[in-house]
Amino acid sequence: DQQVKQNSPSLSVQEGRISILNCDYTNSMFDYFLWYKKYPAEGPTFLISISSIKDKNEDGRFTVFLNKSAKHLSLHIVPSQPGDSAVYFCAAEVYSSASKIIFGSGTRLSIRP
Amino acid sequence: KAGVTQTPRYLIKTRGQQVTLSCSPISGHRSVSWYQQTPGQGLQFLFEYFSETQRNKGNFPGRFSGRQFSNSRSEMNVSTLELGDSALYLCASSFLQSGTPQGDTQYFGPGTRLTVL
Repeated sequence: DQQVKQNSPSLSVQEGRISILNCDYTNSMFDYFLWYKKYPAEGPTFLISISSIKDKNEDGRFTVFLNKSAKHLSLHIVPSQPGDSAVYFCAAEVYSSASKIIFGSGTRLSIRP
Repeated sequence: KAGVTQTPRYLIKTRGQQVTLSCSPISGHRSVSWYQQTPGQGLQFLFEYFSETQRNKGNFPGRFSGRQFSNSRSEMNVSTLELGDSALYLCASSFLQSGTPQGDTQYFGPGTRLTVL
């Protein structure tokens, strides 16, 4: 049972345009959400996060939106740059003293010139 | 501050053998988690250790085990290797400060690429 789903395995976006990566979750107990970026042969790198008490969090070109009623999370990258080409994982957790983070299966983003 | 380090980076084993992977967390981080990454399954949680105790475990068979030492370094062991165990094994550490509303941000190492022949 996949509690965190990224239904698009890949996405291609033109440089300079907006990239939108989507993520759905099923567990309403999740209260903290994260996005990670992964280049080949490297471990995932933390990108941005959002607590369930917020519906938006911005950090430079990256914005994460959370729609709790729809159990949906999205990452917007504006403008998209060639260095953004990577695999993006969304993740969710129920924050507690013994947290366990559940990851989605990832979306490969390709930025074309 | 040095990041999470994992050794070895690459490993080739044959079916039936066992393997031990090592992870050194970021200094001061007390929580270490292990993940398996395969092309079709994404990142799958294996287990998490905190203060030398396993606090969480994913849905993997008992052939997968781990431990954490008093200096927070962790090892993961896989016994009786199967072809399907070929994957990238990632270790992540976090500070996990109780009561912090920001949640638990994990920092990943580069991974160990295990190939089982």
